Amino acid sequence: GAGVSQSPRYKVAKRGQDVALRCDPISGHVSLFWYQQALGQGPEFLTYFQNEAQLDKSGLPSDRFFAERPEGSVSTLKIQRTQQEDSAVYLCASTQGVMNTEAFFGQGTRLTVV
Amino acid sequence: AQTVTQSQPEMSVQEAETVTLSCTYDTSESDYYLFWYKQPPSRQMILVIRQEAYKQQNATENRFSVNFQKAAKSFSLKISDSQLGDAAMYFCAYRRRTGTASKLTFGTGTRLQVTL
Repeated sequence: GAGVSQSPRYKVAKRGQDVALRCDPISGHVSLFWYQQALGQGPEFLTYFQNEAQLDKSGLPSDRFFAERPEGSVSTLKIQRTQQEDSAVYLCASTQGVMNTEAFFGQGTRLTVV
Repeated sequence: AQTVTQSQPEMSVQEAETVTLSCTYDTSESDYYLFWYKQPPSRQMILVIRQEAYKQQNATENRFSVNFQKAAKSFSLKISDSQLGDAAMYFCAYRRRTGTASKLTFGTGTRLQVTL
């Protein structure tokens, strides 16, 4: 695709519900990142994929967060048993290679847990 | 660990004037990249300008330029001839140059208002 696409753009979940957020990176981009952006804050790193391999998941805040990229393209971030503190914008970014400097971002998914 | 600090939560500038946004960072590494990103209400992060730490020359992109002071670990963004479309959140970010996990570390952002 022309850019990084994320869906849904908005998600409201009841506390305790499971959610799945989708990221469709630019076609052919090797690297994919997920970031969490709380209200009034800068994005914080969650996890990183190089093709289908999850090379870094050090930023995932708890074992309720799980990400996958099974075929090395589309990625899904899953949050189980959502809590109010999970409310944030979830941004996805992709880069063409492993060391390329420019990351292309999607428009994010705003998750609100009520 | 690397940290990025933006001490100006909000800034305001009149149209056609110049404004400077501040950023400091902390790292023990010598080889890295620094970035300024713009985030409009659409939430999509847009790259404004980047600087390689090994380059002494300050980066420039049209109306946007940086003042990179490596010893002081300072990286400010200057916007000249400000336009209404420049109004947005601006984030300073760091990325190390070596290694495969090229994640970005962001500051907390500066909200820029542009007035008539």
